[in-house]
Amino acid sequence: ELKVEQNPLFLSMQEGKNYTIYCNYSTTSDRLYWYRQDPGKSLESLFVLLSNGAVKQEGRLMASLDTKARLSTLHITAAVHDLSATYFCAGYSGYALNFGKGTSLLVTP
Amino acid sequence: DVKVTQSSRYLVKRTGEKVFLECVQDMDHENMFWYRQDPGLGLRLIYFSYDVKMKEKGDIPEGYSVSREKKERFSLILESASTNQTSMYLCASSDSAGVDEQYFGPGTRLTVT
Repeated sequence: ELKVEQNPLFLSMQEGKNYTIYCNYSTTSDRLYWYRQDPGKSLESLFVLLSNGAVKQEGRLMASLDTKARLSTLHITAAVHDLSATYFCAGYSGYALNFGKGTSLLVTP
Repeated sequence: DVKVTQSSRYLVKRTGEKVFLECVQDMDHENMFWYRQDPGLGLRLIYFSYDVKMKEKGDIPEGYSVSREKKERFSLILESASTNQTSMYLCASSDSAGVDEQYFGPGTRLTVT
């Protein structure tokens, strides 16, 4: 069974700063998913990483996948307040997605 | 765009009541899922269905049952609601099992008093 571990679980950062969220997973997987959740809302798909070395970027967020290291990263560049949310990574174990516990990001002025 | 809808955004029920949560998807997806989300515990899979009338238990099926009579609809049933079932319930659907991303509904926040 694939287990997913994210760190940090909580992150407070200033606007304009850069930071990286890490997602480690326990067994071989060639694809990894990132979701965003705003308070009280549902999960919105951010990135689907389909192979080793995959890199996807949207705005100030960039996600990458290293299947050999069993590691995915979500890099935030020049953070803005609108990025405040909880970010989840997930990988498939059989039919179902297993999620990390999420990283709660707060971007402050 | 994939659309997953859930019957209620907020629901308040009493202990012992039978509770039905409905989920409908409009993309002809084969697979549908029910998760619950609790602070500090993340998302946990309750049940999923890979075809009409087919279902599999997830990590925490106790106290729950499901029904999938039509492809687009997946219902979660709490046979006798208890206070420890107070939670956010999220429905999701996907096309190919174990491959494609899952699309989530807006969630139902259930409070059992």
